[in-house]
Amino acid sequence: GAGVSQSPSNKVTEKGKDVELRCDPISGHTALYWYRQRLGQGLEFLIYFQGNSAPDKSGLPSDRFSAERTGESVSTLTIQRTQQEDSAVYLCASSRTRTLRETQYFGPGTRLLVL
Amino acid sequence: SQKIEQNSEALNIQEGKTATLTCNYTNYSPAYLQWYRQDPGRGPVFLLLIRENEKEKRKERLKVTFDTTLKQSLFHITASQPADSATYLCALEGTGNQFYFGTGTSLTVIP
Repeated sequence: GAGVSQSPSNKVTEKGKDVELRCDPISGHTALYWYRQRLGQGLEFLIYFQGNSAPDKSGLPSDRFSAERTGESVSTLTIQRTQQEDSAVYLCASSRTRTLRETQYFGPGTRLLVL
Repeated sequence: SQKIEQNSEALNIQEGKTATLTCNYTNYSPAYLQWYRQDPGRGPVFLLLIRENEKEKRKERLKVTFDTTLKQSLFHITASQPADSATYLCALEGTGNQFYFGTGTSLTVIP
């Protein structure tokens, strides 16, 4: 596709449920990032993938959060046993390689609300 | 840890004036710094990248400066228009190969 796509665009769930968020990066982009943005806050780095290298998971806030990426394609971010503080917009971005010399292209985000 | 600070207060300016947004950072010396624009309900969109050996970068009505001594980048929008109203984020590469974004500055251009 022409840009990064994310699904669902909105997700409302009950506390304690698991959710799975999907990101389709731009074709050919080897680097993929997940960020969290709470209301009125900046972007909080969660995890990035670079090609077939082991992902950098150092930004994941707890072991309830996990992410996978198959090769250089789709990525899924899973949040288990959701809590109200997980409510935020989850943004995915991709770039040609993993360096700040490269532009990060962001998707529209998934707005997650945990009731 | 890496810390990035942007204008904490929202910025309101009159149409036609120059808007100046500030990005200050500590505890690191990034080789590159980027500026993004974010509209409500959308993901950030890349605007400009400036390298540590560049003092200034321009793109149409946008100008970015990078002072590695002061650890500061300034983002200017000249001849501002209401359509420039958005949140502007700076980003840099910090320790641990992570990218850090500032909290952003909300700009409103008043017609």
